[in-house]
Amino acid sequence: EAGVTQFPSHSVIEKGQTVTLRCDPISGHDNLYWYRRVMGKEIKFLLHFVKESKQDESGMPNNRFLAERTGGTYSTLKVQPAELEDSGVYFCASSQATGLTSPLHFGNGTRLTVT
Amino acid sequence: DQQVKQNSPSLSVQEGRISILNCDYTNSMFDYFLWYKKYPAEGPTFLISISSIKDKNEDGRFTVFLNKSAKHLSLHIVPSQPGDSAVYFCAASARVATGANNLFFGTGTRLTVIP
Repeated sequence: EAGVTQFPSHSVIEKGQTVTLRCDPISGHDNLYWYRRVMGKEIKFLLHFVKESKQDESGMPNNRFLAERTGGTYSTLKVQPAELEDSGVYFCASSQATGLTSPLHFGNGTRLTVT
Repeated sequence: DQQVKQNSPSLSVQEGRISILNCDYTNSMFDYFLWYKKYPAEGPTFLISISSIKDKNEDGRFTVFLNKSAKHLSLHIVPSQPGDSAVYFCAASARVATGANNLFFGTGTRLTVIP
């Protein structure tokens, strides 16, 4: 079984540019999450999809961030325009069910550097 | 405002000895707690969890203890092995209380097991 895959693994962009991160969850996992870790800080929740619907987007920092999950399969997270404070590692995770006993499976993350 | 705190950024332990990683939380609505382990350039992987109705959960060399009155949990690894060297994240959820499925993470503790 393939794990959660994220692309790209690294991205370096200039302030003001646009970047799109992609996440492919484990096949059959309806729940997809985006998290972010800013250097040295905690991993913070961004949003949660159930299939193609946004279940919870309370962690999205501002309207420069747009997440989509068309068709309920892969998801994209677009940052436009990027700011310096957006630098960090963006993790995607998926789970089979929405529940305490269904642990999240994380991808390896996309390291975003905004210069 | 950080709701899950790991006050020790690093810990070094001799192989074969016990590793104790600590975590404190502030939100009394948290009802489920997890530990994740993270190797460099990889995403966090689920290790062990505990519900707030329990005070201990054991899985092989890993045991998690929960002290609700002190809002404190700890992860014990015994005996520690060099392969346990990684960053350990404590995480908490208030799903039963709030219905929200997002996790709140601490900043992590880097464990080094010395051969």
